[in-house]
Amino acid sequence: KNEVEQSPQNLTAQEEEFITINCSYSVGISALHWLQQHPGGGIVSLFMLSSGKKKHGRLIATINIQEKHSSLHITASHPRDSAVYICAVSRMNRDDKIIFGKGTRLHILP
Amino acid sequence: SQTIHQWPATLVQPVGSPLSLECTVEGTSNPNLYWYRQAAGRGLQLLFYSIGIGQISSEVPQNLSASRPQDRQFILSSKKLLLSDSGFYLCAWSVNSDTQYFGPGTRLTVL
Repeated sequence: KNEVEQSPQNLTAQEEEFITINCSYSVGISALHWLQQHPGGGIVSLFMLSSGKKKHGRLIATINIQEKHSSLHITASHPRDSAVYICAVSRMNRDDKIIFGKGTRLHILP
Repeated sequence: SQTIHQWPATLVQPVGSPLSLECTVEGTSNPNLYWYRQAAGRGLQLLFYSIGIGQISSEVPQNLSASRPQDRQFILSSKKLLLSDSGFYLCAWSVNSDTQYFGPGTRLTVL
């Protein structure tokens, strides 16, 4: 079993829909990261969080440490949000090493 | 501001040929540096990380090696490429335990 699991693997939605991507992990962590990878391969860090909730524009990330679960939400989705969204965790007491989920491929239709 | 460079952007190499990918970081000192690979249909995998000049830790046994000859330079090498080395290689940096920032990546195809 992977230490970081994401769902769904693929998601197609209409523009303006509210999007939720889920991430579950099975190890002790010091932080959880959400990354965005565009078709060309470039990766951008969206959020790093260790508790609660963070918001940036139309993106919201939440984490529940007790349940070992995080969600990434996109409000009023737009075709330019189409990308692969990757959940990753920094393991506790393991320096900066990160374990990555396999990603969720999101496609927003106009 | 900090920037990270990787080159080349794309590379096609025959099996058995050598490899050298370079990553440099600007605008920060003594960063932690990382090499990741993303193989087709798979997630990102950490290959090497470095906390300082000449200090390299390997995460997975393979025919690749890494070196850090200067504070902000990280090189990924191979003496003989395998077909299974094809993938997208990403360099990243961080300071302490803060978020990691990724470079633009190199797409390697081994034929």
